[in-house]
Amino acid sequence: AQSVTQLDSQVPVFEEAPVELRCNYSSSVSVYLFWYVQYPNQGLQLLLKYLSGSTLVKGINGFEAEFNKSQTSFHLRKPSVHISDTAEYFCAATYGNKLVFGAGTILRVKS
Amino acid sequence: EAQVTQNPRYLITVTGKKLTVTCSQNMNHEYMSWYRQDPGLGLRQIYYSMNVEVTDKGDVPEGYKVSRKEKRNFPLILESPSPNQTSLYFCASSTSSGSSYNEQFFGPGTRLTVL
Repeated sequence: AQSVTQLDSQVPVFEEAPVELRCNYSSSVSVYLFWYVQYPNQGLQLLLKYLSGSTLVKGINGFEAEFNKSQTSFHLRKPSVHISDTAEYFCAATYGNKLVFGAGTILRVKS
Repeated sequence: EAQVTQNPRYLITVTGKKLTVTCSQNMNHEYMSWYRQDPGLGLRQIYYSMNVEVTDKGDVPEGYKVSRKEKRNFPLILESPSPNQTSLYFCASSTSSGSSYNEQFFGPGTRLTVL
């Protein structure tokens, strides 16, 4: 079955600390991977995407993600978070014409 | 400004009263899609459209209808809403009907409550 699993529903972290949000996807012949961010009361905004090539993908706001085919993972990282990074983050994968989302991870940055 | 718009943004209705949520994009995108977002479930695709007059079911199509008569518009229709359709709905669009790797642009969302 086509699925995307985000292993943590909430991740609390102090400001300026590093963070990793985990994402695993079900394997497919070809899959494209995305991370979206949703700030409170807003729509979704693309952070970064992996299509092919380098397994380390850099996105906006200092975020990056690493594609690991053998582990079917696409974890999102940031070396130093800010209060303004507090939001819900969604990992997504395309299977054919469908975009399948994970359940989301709420990142809470504390001062 | 390139954008996806949805109307209304908030709607409270009663069981069985037909409603339509409109979605419009000004980016000349071929692909459009509807999702619902529920706590702990992420976003689930309801219907999508590869181009004008071409629509297909997503993962949770029951109780919904769509139409794509024009490229820019993709309304979501609930013929007989029920309380389990209370949710936050997002419309999205992207370039290229045949390619699955293009970024989808999302509207601001419509919060629907069915009493």
